[in-house]
Amino acid sequence: GAVVSQHPSWVICKSGTSVKIECRSLDFQATTMFWYRQFPKQSLMLMATSNEGSKATYEQGVEKDKFLINHASLTLSTLTVTSAHPEDSSFYICSAPTSGKNIQYFGAGTRLSVL
Amino acid sequence: DQQVKQNSPSLSVQEGRISILNCDYTNSMFDYFLWYKKYPAEGPTFLISISSIKDKNEDGRFTVFLNKSAKHLSLHIVPSQPGDSAVYFCAASPAGGTSYGKLTFGQGTILTVHP
Repeated sequence: GAVVSQHPSWVICKSGTSVKIECRSLDFQATTMFWYRQFPKQSLMLMATSNEGSKATYEQGVEKDKFLINHASLTLSTLTVTSAHPEDSSFYICSAPTSGKNIQYFGAGTRLSVL
Repeated sequence: DQQVKQNSPSLSVQEGRISILNCDYTNSMFDYFLWYKKYPAEGPTFLISISSIKDKNEDGRFTVFLNKSAKHLSLHIVPSQPGDSAVYFCAASPAGGTSYGKLTFGQGTILTVHP
């Protein structure tokens, strides 16, 4: 299947700092990518849709100023958690759909721990 | 409001037997359904999918059945192998519009296949 690369896989940061997570589609172009969040023992919850060349769209309850999304090219989307706090500690996962958008391929995820 | 539900948090099966994982949904706008397998601290891996115009899709040991009138789908794994042990997520996607491509996940079912 298609390959989606996510980096870093694990990050620990101090409260108040910002963290950037990268999501790349390695063998296909993705005009749209999605960012999900998973708390322990819970399901994946969609946070936002990253659109190449335009603003991201956020799901209800997700702060756009807190989670900055940039989709600067057809193969790269970044999620920046700004002024991170311990409650932002979670597992963040990106996905990119194949052409036609029916099947989504996921990155390996990023474990964020905010101290 | 949980639009995709996996009511069994866990399932234990003997190697070689059939594993049946169930999923129910409430949103009539869902048009495409997917099953993902996930290990802890990793991204979901796509297994199999089905469009709402079909009632069955088969790929090797994996078969997905869709009962649209009952808003129910199931994943059958035959024969089950110890390597199948993981968390299985059911996901659904709407047909089009602004929500096209967005996945709504169930809570997941932990499958354990005993040797």
